Amino acid sequence: DFVMTQSPDSLAVSLGERATINCRSSQSVLYSSNNKNYLAWYQQKPGQPPKLLFSWASARESGVPDRFSGSGSGTDFTLTISSLQAEDVAVYYCQQYYSPPRTFGQGTKVEIK
Amino acid sequence: QVQLQESGPGLVKPSETLSLTCTVSGGSITNYYWSWIRQSPGKGLEWIGYISYSGTTKYHPSLESRVTISIDMSKNQFSLKLSSVTAADTAVYYCAREIGPNDSFDYWGQGTQVTVSS
Repeated sequence: DFVMTQSPDSLAVSLGERATINCRSSQSVLYSSNNKNYLAWYQQKPGQPPKLLFSWASARESGVPDRFSGSGSGTDFTLTISSLQAEDVAVYYCQQYYSPPRTFGQGTKVEIK
Repeated sequence: QVQLQESGPGLVKPSETLSLTCTVSGGSITNYYWSWIRQSPGKGLEWIGYISYSGTTKYHPSLESRVTISIDMSKNQFSLKLSSVTAADTAVYYCAREIGPNDSFDYWGQGTQVTVSS
């Protein structure tokens, strides 16, 4: 199985400041034949299901604010919130869909400092 | 707008079978892949398995011996059966959609809490 490891487990950031979440896969999720990274990012708020933010590591879903960005390739990926807003308080997960079983990171909790 | 809604018992006894149904509205169940995912404090988000519109299934190896996912195109529903449950199966169960066999989960149900207890 692909093991997805996120860091840090939690972080507290001041409003308007940058938040950076890292995700590392135990194996590459880059498919060489199409040069796509099979990596998604989700946001989960309390009492709600996860919401897809990015697929293919950096393809932002419709409606996701552009302060969110996804980057990385192969085994190392980053989700960045350029200017943290109060509504961004949530747990963020990465997930690989390169190969079943689908696996998720353990989550990173983002709070306001 | 596609919506998914899980339904089923919230309490299941140990050794019995957990049964849940996901009803898809606002769109057809055809041409997509449909997954079950669960979330518990101890194990985080865990993918259980998927079924395609054509009936192809794929299960998590750790659950494969106990899981069956089926689809009912006429009702726009798909279902999960997990047999011989224990307390470790207590979780919030979500249904979700994938566009293809290797894709992200773009729509999720709200989730349903299932507790395994006598």
